[in-house]
Amino acid sequence: AQSVTQLGSHVSVSEGALVLLRCNYSSSVPPYLFWYVQYPNQGLQLLLKYTSAATLVKGINGFEAEFKKSETSFHLTKPSAHMSDAAEYFCAVSDLVQNAGNMLTFGGGTRLMVKP
Amino acid sequence: NAGVMQNPRHLVRRRGQEARLRCSPMKGHSHVYWYRQLPEEGLKFMVYLQKENIIDESGMPKERFSAEFPKEGPSILRIQQVVRGDSAAYFCASSPIQGAGEAFFGQGTRLTVV
Repeated sequence: AQSVTQLGSHVSVSEGALVLLRCNYSSSVPPYLFWYVQYPNQGLQLLLKYTSAATLVKGINGFEAEFKKSETSFHLTKPSAHMSDAAEYFCAVSDLVQNAGNMLTFGGGTRLMVKP
Repeated sequence: NAGVMQNPRHLVRRRGQEARLRCSPMKGHSHVYWYRQLPEEGLKFMVYLQKENIIDESGMPKERFSAEFPKEGPSILRIQQVVRGDSAAYFCASSPIQGAGEAFFGQGTRLTVV
C-alpha cells in the first residue's frame, strides 16, 4: 500500500522568500511522484513529475523538487515566492503495479500563503 | 485540444435525490479516473475506468455510488439518494495510456447536498 504525508497543512512565507513544501512517501515499488497545484475553485494542474530519470526535477513557474530515495522524500522548492504562488499544493504517488494505470494517492495538501 | 470537461461545475441536490456527474476525457484518452475531495482534505481515489470496463473501484463506497464509461459519450458518476456527507468536489482525470505518465484533471463538480 502506498501513502503520502505532507508535513504542514499551512505554510506562510513572505514574498521573495524561499518556498519549501515537504512530502514523504511510502511505496513498495519504485514510485512515480507528482506535485500538483490547485487554485481556489479550480482543478489540479501538474507542476512537475518524477519518473525515475533525473532526481532533480524542474517544473513550471520556477518550482523544482528533488527525489531522495534514502529519505523517501520529494520536497518542493522555489527560490523566491511570488504572490501568485498562493494556492493549495498536493504531492501524489502513482502505483505502477500492473493494471493500476495512473491512479494517484494524494497527500493531504499544503496551503501556501504568501505575505507581501 | 480541449482539456478534461466536467459538468455541471456546481450541483445542488436535496437529500434523497440523485446526482449525476459527467466527465468527457481529453481527445484520445481512454482511461478515466474519479476522485473525491472532501472539504479541507486531499483527493481520494474512487474508481478507474476504461471504455465499457471498470478496472478498479476499490475507492467507491459500497452503496449508492456507481460509475460507467460507455463506448460512446462521457463517463458518468452517479450518486443515488444523496446525503449531506456526499457534499464534496468530485474530480475526473484522464490519461492516454496505462502506467507511466500523468493524468490530466478537469475543473471538478462541486456537489452540495441540502
